Amino acid sequence: GAVVSQHPSRVICKSGTSVKIECRSLDFQATTMFWYRQFPKQSLMLMATSNEGSKATYEQGVEKDKFLINHASLTLSTLTVTSAHPEDSSFYICSAQTGENYGYTFGSGTRLTVV
Amino acid sequence: RKEVEQDPGPFNVPEGATVAFNCTYSNSASQSFFWYRQDCRKEPKLLMSVYSSGNEDGRFTAQLNRASQYISLLIRDSKLSDSATYLCVVPGDSGAGSYQLTFGKGTKLSVIP
Repeated sequence: GAVVSQHPSRVICKSGTSVKIECRSLDFQATTMFWYRQFPKQSLMLMATSNEGSKATYEQGVEKDKFLINHASLTLSTLTVTSAHPEDSSFYICSAQTGENYGYTFGSGTRLTVV
Repeated sequence: RKEVEQDPGPFNVPEGATVAFNCTYSNSASQSFFWYRQDCRKEPKLLMSVYSSGNEDGRFTAQLNRASQYISLLIRDSKLSDSATYLCVVPGDSGAGSYQLTFGKGTKLSVIP
């Protein structure tokens, strides 16, 4: 089946640094990629929707200058957390729609810890 | 009403028990629904899709009541491996043929030996 490869799976970074998370679709083209964030014991919350070749659409309350999304090709979308702070520590996960009838595939997630 | 609302849980049940989770949704235009399973610190994985009144797959049965905007998941003969958080998910139209997912907060199930 369709696979979305996400890495890194885990990253620890210092406050003020930037972290890039990559999601690649394998064996299919992901026109749209969704980026979610999940805090402990909370639901997955949509951060932004990225479309290949155009600007991402951010959900209310998500800073577009802090969470940079690039979707330059049909198989790669990246999320960069800039100037990371401890409150950005969370589980970040991407998802791509793989076809009709709402088929979705999730990446394996990235656990970010900012110290 | 919140977009997708679930029983908070946790549900602690013995092996072999039958357990049911409920979910209500606010978007009356939604046509399809999903139950996902999420293990601790892992990505969600699709468990069942519900397009009409219901769906059954082995020990798992999902039912949909459009009039009440209500979805349920029934697990029969619970196994230890069923321990996880179960997420009720409703797609919404993001435009241009793509659909974003709205997740419920999830219901945690622990199956006890």
